[in-house]
Amino acid sequence: DTAVSQTPKYLVTQMGNDKSIKCEQNLGHDTMYWYKQDSKKFLKIMFSYNNKELIINETVPNRFSPKSPDKAHLNLHINSLELGDSAVYFCASSPPRGWGGYTFGSGTRLTVV
Amino acid sequence: DAKTTQPNSMESNEEEPVHLPCNHSTISGTDYIHWYRQLPSQGPEYVIHGLTSNVNNRMASLAIAEDRKSSTLILHRATLRDAAVYYCILSGNTPLVFGKGTRLSVIA
Repeated sequence: DTAVSQTPKYLVTQMGNDKSIKCEQNLGHDTMYWYKQDSKKFLKIMFSYNNKELIINETVPNRFSPKSPDKAHLNLHINSLELGDSAVYFCASSPPRGWGGYTFGSGTRLTVV
Repeated sequence: DAKTTQPNSMESNEEEPVHLPCNHSTISGTDYIHWYRQLPSQGPEYVIHGLTSNVNNRMASLAIAEDRKSSTLILHRATLRDAAVYYCILSGNTPLVFGKGTRLSVIA
């Protein structure tokens, strides 16, 4: 069983479109995250979310919005896609602090054309 | 967030031990030291974490200096599959912040 699964694995879309990336974890973790890895390979936190609090990295454009239907899912919705949004997006989840590490999904490669 | 300093790259021969250093002189008393690695075309993978004492698991060992201002990730026998970028991260109350990491090359 995949602990953190993301779909789709690849996404090619045109500028201006709206798209969503889904993420599900079966680890029972309370906190989930979205990270973006750009072409220079830097991993940047976008959001963290648990059932109590959404923390947004202030540098993330408001075209990006996380949506969590339940504790096991944190989807990423992106409006009005731009060329600069092309990157690999990773979902992750974590147990309470100190209990262990983050588990990452295998990533979604988004290409905006 | 407290920052870490790692060498940009390191090289190791296969089947030899590898010691990956990390400096974190501004670590706070409640920061955990986490290590992750990212293999090519994969997501980051948790390796090990610790607070004050040295830690061992099936993947690696973590040696933490007594003053906690530095730590070393030890891979006991490097294999070609260990070639990756290794990240040393201090975990406080905010999400993990990844730096540039150390790119480890393993030579057969």
